[in-house]
Amino acid sequence: KNEVEQSPQNLTAQEGEFITINCSYSVGISALHWLQQHPGGGIVSLFMLSSGKKKHGRLIATINIQEKHSSLHITASHPRDSAVYICAVRSWGADGLTFGKGTHLIIQP
Amino acid sequence: DTAVSQTPKYLVTQMGNDKSIKCEQNLGHDTMYWYKQDSKKFLKIMFSYNNKELIINETVPNRFSPKSPDKAHLNLHINSLELGDSAVYFCASSVSRTSENIYFGEGSWLTVV
Repeated sequence: KNEVEQSPQNLTAQEGEFITINCSYSVGISALHWLQQHPGGGIVSLFMLSSGKKKHGRLIATINIQEKHSSLHITASHPRDSAVYICAVRSWGADGLTFGKGTHLIIQP
Repeated sequence: DTAVSQTPKYLVTQMGNDKSIKCEQNLGHDTMYWYKQDSKKFLKIMFSYNNKELIINETVPNRFSPKSPDKAHLNLHINSLELGDSAVYFCASSVSRTSENIYFGEGSWLTVV
């Protein structure tokens, strides 16, 4: 079982819909990242969280350390939001990140 | 200016060859990483390198070796390439091992034929 589990694996929605992607992890962490990867593209860090909530434009990320759970929300989704969203954690004392398998999001016009 | 740059972006090579992927960061970071993304898009850490200390993921074959001429560069050498080495390799950097912000390169698409 992967230390980082994401759901759903695939999500197709209509433009304008509110999107939620979930991430659960099983280890103690010092930080959690939400990353975005467009097809054939590089990886961009959207958020780094260690507690609470962060907002950037239409994107909101929350984390509940006690429940070992984080969510990424996209409001007023747009086709350009279509990408793979990856949750990654830095475990205490570990080098590098441990990744979820990603959520493939498609926003249809 | 690209913060973390990798070359080449695309590489097609034959089995058995030896190849290198270069990575440079201009952020002044002390820690650099190599990650591998397999055909199922799953990312895994290969190496981290901080202040001349190399931490190796024990699942990485010893045909893979990182080389750091200075703290701004971490190159990945691969000997005796195998078909299963085909993947996207991402370089990344952070201020330190305990720093939480991480910056990724654009990726290097390696295809072994």
